[in-house]
Amino acid sequence: EAQVTQNPRYLITVTGKKLTVTCSQNMNHEYMSWYRQDPGLGLRQIYYSMNVEVTDKGDVPEGYKVSRKEKRNFPLILESPSPNQTSLYFCASSPFGGARGEKLFFGSGTQLSVL
Amino acid sequence: AQSVTQPDIHITVSEGASLELRCNYSYGATPYLFWYVQSPGQGLQLLLKYFSGDTLVQGIKGFEAEFKRSQSSFNLRKPSVHWSDAAEYFCAVGAKGGSQGNLIFGKGTKLSVKP
Repeated sequence: EAQVTQNPRYLITVTGKKLTVTCSQNMNHEYMSWYRQDPGLGLRQIYYSMNVEVTDKGDVPEGYKVSRKEKRNFPLILESPSPNQTSLYFCASSPFGGARGEKLFFGSGTQLSVL
Repeated sequence: AQSVTQPDIHITVSEGASLELRCNYSYGATPYLFWYVQSPGQGLQLLLKYFSGDTLVQGIKGFEAEFKRSQSSFNLRKPSVHWSDAAEYFCAVGAKGGSQGNLIFGKGTKLSVKP
C-alpha cells in the first residue's frame, strides 16, 4: 500500500531534550516536505527536499534540522526543543512537489508537546 | 514566489445550505491549484485540482471549484452541505512548469455545519 509513515504518533518531551520524528515513504517520490499545523496559522512549511541530499528552508525553519540521505526517509530533528515547538507535525511526499499537478501524500501526523 | 490567501478563518453554514470557500493566489504565471480537506484528527486528503483546460473542476464528495484567472481566485463550492463536511479546508498553489516545484498552502478555513 502506498503510504507515508510518520513516527511517533504522539510525543511528550521536555525542553532541551533532542528528538527525531521519522518520516518514510514507499512510493519512490522525489519530493518530501515537513509542515507544522497550529490553530489559526494553518499549515506552515518547515523544510522541503526536492531529492536526495537536496533540502531547502520553508517558512519556519528555525529550531529544526532535516536530512535526506536516502530517497525514502526524511527525518525531522529538533536539537533543543522549546515549548513554542509544541504543534501537530505532518510529513508529505509527491513525485515532483506539485510541479506536474500531482497530489501530495500526507502522513497521519505527529502531535508533539514540549514541556 | 507563489502565495495563497484564504480570507475566511471560520465559516458556519446550516446543513443543506450552499457553501463557497474563498481562495486567492499570487503567482506570475498560471499555477496548479488544489483544495485539500482535513477531517478532525486526520491527515489531508485531496478534494480536487486544476492544472489546465476547463476552469470548472469537479472533485470528490460533491465539491467543485472554479479557476478565475482575472480574479486570481480558485473558490470551492458545494450546492448542499452535509454534516460530514465539517472539517478544515486548505487551498494550495503549485508552480507550473519546470521539472519540480513546491506546494504552498493557505492558512485554512474551518467549516462548521449546523443541524
